[in-house]
Amino acid sequence: DGGITQSPKYLFRKEGQNVTLSCEQNLNHDAMYWYRQDPGQGLRLIYYSQIVNDFQKGDIAEGYSVSREKKESFPLTVTSAQKNPTAFYLCASSTAGLIYNEQFFGPGTRLTVL
Amino acid sequence: GEDVEQSLFLSVREGDSSVINCTYTDSSSTYLYWYKQEPGAGLQLLTYIFSNMDMKQDQRLTVLLNKKDKHLSLRIADTQTGDSAIYFCAGGGSSASKIIFGSGTRLSIRP
Repeated sequence: DGGITQSPKYLFRKEGQNVTLSCEQNLNHDAMYWYRQDPGQGLRLIYYSQIVNDFQKGDIAEGYSVSREKKESFPLTVTSAQKNPTAFYLCASSTAGLIYNEQFFGPGTRLTVL
Repeated sequence: GEDVEQSLFLSVREGDSSVINCTYTDSSSTYLYWYKQEPGAGLQLLTYIFSNMDMKQDQRLTVLLNKKDKHLSLRIADTQTGDSAIYFCAGGGSSASKIIFGSGTRLSIRP
């Protein structure tokens, strides 16, 4: 079955620690995205990548970093510089370069900073 | 900048129609989308409309687009308890690979 997976589902972090969220897809999509979801604020774009070895900052990239070494994988690191990291993080993928941009979402990772 | 706005909550009685409204600022959006998010899960595309259309119907779902007023709506006929979710309106951003999501409307169903 084709799909997009995120792990872990729940993640707890102590203040001052970096943590990496995993996102993997087997849909053969070139484009991948990371969003942050907070209650009442919808989805905010953190980073996106349209092709391997290339990525761009979204609207709220400060305190986050990403890599795109493989087409299937787009891990997100939440660094200690992120002031308020507790949130629900969603990864998505899509076919790049099309005007019609249906994005396929993973199940999300809920990060809690203790 | 580009913006998509929705009301945060909607409560309807089971069996009634639900209408979720959305306004957007980016008139260059070629496609507009409605996504559904069930509790604790990711988003799933529910339906979409091409910008040169005024209406699209898909079983219980009707999408209306008023380009002049930059207003999009989703009507769910015969609302059921399984329709309880957060519904997101989204439109194409300045880049073909970016779309802008609204804040989401939480739909709750009362008996």
